[in-house]
Amino acid sequence: DAGVTQSPTHLIKTRGQQVTLRCSPISGHKSVSWYQQVLGQGPQFIFQYYEKEERGRGNFPDRFSARQFPNYSSELNVNALLLGDSALYLCASSDYKGDEQYFGPGTRLTVT
Amino acid sequence: QKEVEQDPGPLSVPEGAIVSLNCTYSNSAFQYFMWYRQYSRKGPELLMYTYSSGNKEDGRFTAQVDKSSKYISLFIRDSQPSDSATYLCAMSGGDYKLSFGAGTTVTVRA
Repeated sequence: DAGVTQSPTHLIKTRGQQVTLRCSPISGHKSVSWYQQVLGQGPQFIFQYYEKEERGRGNFPDRFSARQFPNYSSELNVNALLLGDSALYLCASSDYKGDEQYFGPGTRLTVT
Repeated sequence: QKEVEQDPGPLSVPEGAIVSLNCTYSNSAFQYFMWYRQYSRKGPELLMYTYSSGNKEDGRFTAQVDKSSKYISLFIRDSQPSDSATYLCAMSGGDYKLSFGAGTTVTVRA
């Protein structure tokens, strides 16, 4: 069975640009969470979606938004990129319980 | 004060030694506790998941939770060079948001 997949693997953007990151959960999982991991730190919670509804939001500015599609895949959008947005963006998949989360390989975003 | 405190190490042990990792937390609402292993530039891999005080064993890994002391531990027996990674503790209060420690970098020397 395929695990959580994310695309792209790596991308480089310029300050002020916008970026969209994509995630497909484990088959049968209906919940997707997004985390930001800055080098040397643990992941920080951004959003969780369950059955296409936002179930939780972390302490991130409104420049960050997300959505979940009918097939349970998800997109994370970040507008007006700042240098500080450079990080590994992780997607995690879980079943209805939500706490037992399985992570994808991440998308490494570099903002120059 | 951070919700979850974890000593970043680094921790270096010889092959075959027991690796001992721990985290402390301040939020009494945390009910679910996890340990993840993260290799360099990869996503975290779930190793252990538990929701009660006491010990849980899975192969060479033992997770220990002491809710009264707000302290969790992970022990790795018979450590191997392939166990060299960063280990992250994570916890949740049932609100589906995981709070992570900063991670401990472990090197197992052959």
